Amino acid sequence: QQQVKQSPQSLIVQKGGISIINCAYENTAFDYFPWYQQFPGKGPALLIAIRPDVSEKKEGRFTISFNKSAKQFSLHIMDSQPGDSATYFCAARPLNTDKLIFGTGTRLQVFP
Amino acid sequence: DAGVTQSPTHLIKTRGQQVTLRCSPKSGHDTVSWYQQALGQGPQFIFQYYEEEERQRGNFPDRFSGHQFPNYSSELNVNALLLGDSALYLCASSLRGEDIQYFGAGTRLSVL
Repeated sequence: QQQVKQSPQSLIVQKGGISIINCAYENTAFDYFPWYQQFPGKGPALLIAIRPDVSEKKEGRFTISFNKSAKQFSLHIMDSQPGDSATYFCAARPLNTDKLIFGTGTRLQVFP
Repeated sequence: DAGVTQSPTHLIKTRGQQVTLRCSPKSGHDTVSWYQQALGQGPQFIFQYYEEEERQRGNFPDRFSGHQFPNYSSELNVNALLLGDSALYLCASSLRGEDIQYFGAGTRLSVL
């Protein structure tokens, strides 16, 4: 069964600090790895995404690092802000499909 | 430009009843996917519709069915509701061949 494992379950960071969320997958046949941000009462919103032929992608304060050999990818949020407090989900898309397999989520709290 | 819209926002049903949830995709999108998000979990893929046909399906029983209309909007039907069907049901729309899926705010279904 294809799975995506996400850690930590929750994360508390001080304003200005770096938030790091990790994901690992168990099947090599994935071709797209997005990260979604979800606020309470809202649907997930795409934050940043990467394909497996790239080792790193940066968009503003958000960076994805991808390690194909280790089957791991992570989200780094630099200069974390209270407005970043939300639940973050990693996901992976199996090859030749459009469905996304999500991790279990990380609840991030950024304190001023 | 309206994003993905879902209705209703909240719904309360009793066991054994049937429910229909509705989704209008983002303007210009032709593909609709449905996900179930249990409390504290990541979304799980139910199925996807394109050209008015179910194209892919996740591990959900056939009590879950759907439909896509010529205007690309979609419905999710769940028959013989169980307590375990209580969840947030998310609709995601995309343009065939493109990576990004845009999610609606979801319908919160409570089964009593």
